[in-house]
Amino acid sequence: RKEVEQDPGPFNVPEGATVAFNCTYSNSASQSFFWYRQDCRKEPKLLMSVYSSGNEDGRFTAQLNRASQYISLLIRDSKLSDSATYLCVVNRDNNAGNMLTFGGGTRLMVKP
Amino acid sequence: GAVVSQHPSRVICKSGTSVKIECRSLDFQATTMFWYRQFPKKSLMLMATSNEGSKATYEQGVEKDKFLINHASLTLSTLTVTSAHPEDSSFYICSAHDPAGVFEQYFGPGTRLTVT
Repeated sequence: RKEVEQDPGPFNVPEGATVAFNCTYSNSASQSFFWYRQDCRKEPKLLMSVYSSGNEDGRFTAQLNRASQYISLLIRDSKLSDSATYLCVVNRDNNAGNMLTFGGGTRLMVKP
Repeated sequence: GAVVSQHPSRVICKSGTSVKIECRSLDFQATTMFWYRQFPKKSLMLMATSNEGSKATYEQGVEKDKFLINHASLTLSTLTVTSAHPEDSSFYICSAHDPAGVFEQYFGPGTRLTVT
């Protein structure tokens, strides 16, 4: 079983749609969670951290369910510029501190 | 946000040659840097953790004699792909941990290596 699993997609949605991505992780000791965005042939860029209470940043909402080891990302009012691959990322364990494990990514394509 | 640079951004080399890739943190000191490899349509795979002033920690399956890592200063880590083969062709990305942020890493723009 992969440490971090995501549906690879692609998710093809029209502009203005709401889309949700899910991610599961296997290491129950994981302490920190992130969503990164990666454009084609570019480096990943931090989109947002995911907090236990859930958090929102503009059109983006992230949720964490520790009991189910499940993370989600909701994008509202999709824009063409949201087209990218979204990477679910967890830190490996608390002792490792800042060692990150990446999911395979979910590809989003927003169409006009 | 913090800036991490990589050089070169793209390199083409012949089989059997060695290639050095540099990763620099430009506005912070990074005691820890990470090297990843990404094949087309695949996710990033951690190759090794580079620690300033000590030996790198390699992930299982990554040959330390083939991928030489040197982290000689708090702002520079280098990855040398020795005796490169076509199967080493990949996108190599470094990241640096900003001590000011507990778990955050900043990524370099990546180096695309093509071995012919």
